[in-house]
Amino acid sequence: NAGVTQTPKFRVLKTGQSMTLLCAQDMNHEYMYWYRQDPGMGLRLIHYSVGEGTTAKGEVPDGYNVSRLKKQNFLLGLESAAPSQTSVYFCASSYPGAGNTIYFGEGSWLTVV
Amino acid sequence: AQSVTQPDIHITVSEGASLELRCNYSYGATPYLFWYVQSPGQGLQLLLKYFSGDTLVQGIKGFEAEFKRSQSSFNLRKPSVHWSDAAEYFCAVGAKTGGFKTIFGAGTRLFVKA
Repeated sequence: NAGVTQTPKFRVLKTGQSMTLLCAQDMNHEYMYWYRQDPGMGLRLIHYSVGEGTTAKGEVPDGYNVSRLKKQNFLLGLESAAPSQTSVYFCASSYPGAGNTIYFGEGSWLTVV
Repeated sequence: AQSVTQPDIHITVSEGASLELRCNYSYGATPYLFWYVQSPGQGLQLLLKYFSGDTLVQGIKGFEAEFKRSQSSFNLRKPSVHWSDAAEYFCAVGAKTGGFKTIFGAGTRLFVKA
């Protein structure tokens, strides 16, 4: 069982370039999330989706866009990368409800130079 | 405002010694509390969770946590630490409405010395 899969795992971008992080889950979860992890700051929610075709802003959405065209996929886009977006990005998914565990992917390391 | 505080940025314990990681939260309603572990280069994995009932909850890998409402705390414990427990540990508090309301603490890095 693959769980949550993210691609790519590592990427170096130049300032101003664009890219898309891909996330796929095979657990039939309704909810999907994108977080960023920075030293000393824990995980911060960028965007999330509560179902196919829906997205919503999280705590730190600026500079990012997302799409959920299919239930199993959640894409995170950077239209014009900035050095402040250097981070580790985690995709995650869960069933609805607070009682349900959030399952995380292994992370994508992004460096913007 | 909702928040989660993990007072210790890092902790070092000897293998075989006991461990306690602290977590304090600020939340306006009944909290749903979690501990996750992150091994180097990996995503987060759920250790245990508390919603209601017995305030002492057992998790995987021999970990347990105790919810103390009066102290707004949810500390993680393990009686005897193994070298493989070296990782970063995150406390989180969630809302009834769903996972997108979950707030994570900044994490505590655990080092285990032989």
